[in-house]
Amino acid sequence: AQSVTQPDIHITVSEGASLELRCNYSYGATPYLFWYVQSPGQGLQLLLKYFSGDTLVQGIKGFEAEFKRSQSSFNLRKPSVHWSDAAEYFCAVGAVGNTGKLIFGQGTTLQVKP
Amino acid sequence: DGGITQSPKYLFRKEGQNVTLSCEQNLNHDAMYWYRQDPGQGLRLIYYSQIVNDFQKGDIAEGYSVSREKKESFPLTVTSAQKNPTAFYLCASRIPGDGYTFGSGTRLTVV
Repeated sequence: AQSVTQPDIHITVSEGASLELRCNYSYGATPYLFWYVQSPGQGLQLLLKYFSGDTLVQGIKGFEAEFKRSQSSFNLRKPSVHWSDAAEYFCAVGAVGNTGKLIFGQGTTLQVKP
Repeated sequence: DGGITQSPKYLFRKEGQNVTLSCEQNLNHDAMYWYRQDPGQGLRLIYYSQIVNDFQKGDIAEGYSVSREKKESFPLTVTSAQKNPTAFYLCASRIPGDGYTFGSGTRLTVV
């Protein structure tokens, strides 16, 4: 079955510390992979995406993610977290195809301590 | 600026009522999607449309209906058959080969 797993429901880090949010997926076809961020009561904003090529992708707000096919993972990282990064983060996977349907993980809520 | 507009931001439904959520985009995207978000469950696909006058059921279509008469518009009706409609509803659109652009959502509450 196609699925996305974000093992950490809540993560708390200190401001200035590094961050890694985990994402594992199960998908039969060649995947597109995405990370989105959501502030409370708002829609989702695209942080970065992986379609093909370089497995380390850079996104907005200083985030990056690495695609590891052998581990079926697409973990999100940031070297130094800012208080404004506190939000909910969603990993998503879709097919290289036309329907565009995405499967989302359950989300990871990031809390940043001063 | 191009984007997706969802309205209203908050919506209250009485038992047995149908309500319609609006989604309008000026991005010239062909594909549009409706997702439902519940705490701790991520986003689940309700309906999607890849072209005008055509749409397909997603994973949780029961109790919902949609139309796609114009490229810019993809309204979602929550019918009385949907027994647990309280949720946050998100509309999105995309061009092939790219990620979604999301609207800011509608929070629906049953009263």
